[in-house]
Amino acid sequence: SQKIEQNSEALNIQEGKTATLTCNYTNYSPAYLQWYRQDPGRGPVFLLLIRENEKEKRKERLKVTFDTTLKQSLFHITASQPADSATYLCALATGANNLFFGTGTRLTVIP
Amino acid sequence: ETGVTQTPRHLVMGMTNKKSLKCEQHLGHNAMYWYKQSAKKPLELMFVYNFKEQTENNSVPSRFSPECPNSSHLFLHLHTLQPEDSALYLCASTPEASSSGANVLTFGAGSRLTVL
Repeated sequence: SQKIEQNSEALNIQEGKTATLTCNYTNYSPAYLQWYRQDPGRGPVFLLLIRENEKEKRKERLKVTFDTTLKQSLFHITASQPADSATYLCALATGANNLFFGTGTRLTVIP
Repeated sequence: ETGVTQTPRHLVMGMTNKKSLKCEQHLGHNAMYWYKQSAKKPLELMFVYNFKEQTENNSVPSRFSPECPNSSHLFLHLHTLQPEDSALYLCASTPEASSSGANVLTFGAGSRLTVL
């Protein structure tokens, strides 16, 4: 069966360190992979999209990698800040008209 | 703030009630989506409308009835729900529902539904 796993339900990290979140998938052939941020009581907000033929994408302090051989995406936040505390969701887009989401990782950046 | 507005933000209803959730987008998008978010579960796609036509119904029970009168408005009519239907219901929009998969979703803040 198809599955998307985000490495852990919760991740605590010290301010200033690099946070690394993992998204693993099985039985998908995604054309795109996306990362979203969700704050409590809010809807998810789009952060980054990476295509299957791209290895890495950057946006300010954010970096996403996509390894279709390992079936894995890594999401990095460098120089993390308490304001980065949120739940981060990965989502896979296949050729069909649908996005499949993981359950998310709740990141807490400790001052 | 995202350009997708959902009302009400919170709703409590009994199993025999009829209520509706409303979504409005001011982004000029042509595709609108309903997602269900339950605790510790992935977002589940419920319905997709592309240019007012329903293009996806993800095996949703008939007690949930969507309506899309135009590209800016989307409703979810609720009738004889069950307690397990309690969840956060999220509306989203994209410029159109692309088959290439590059659908970057803009979400509303959600409607928190509690079924007693």
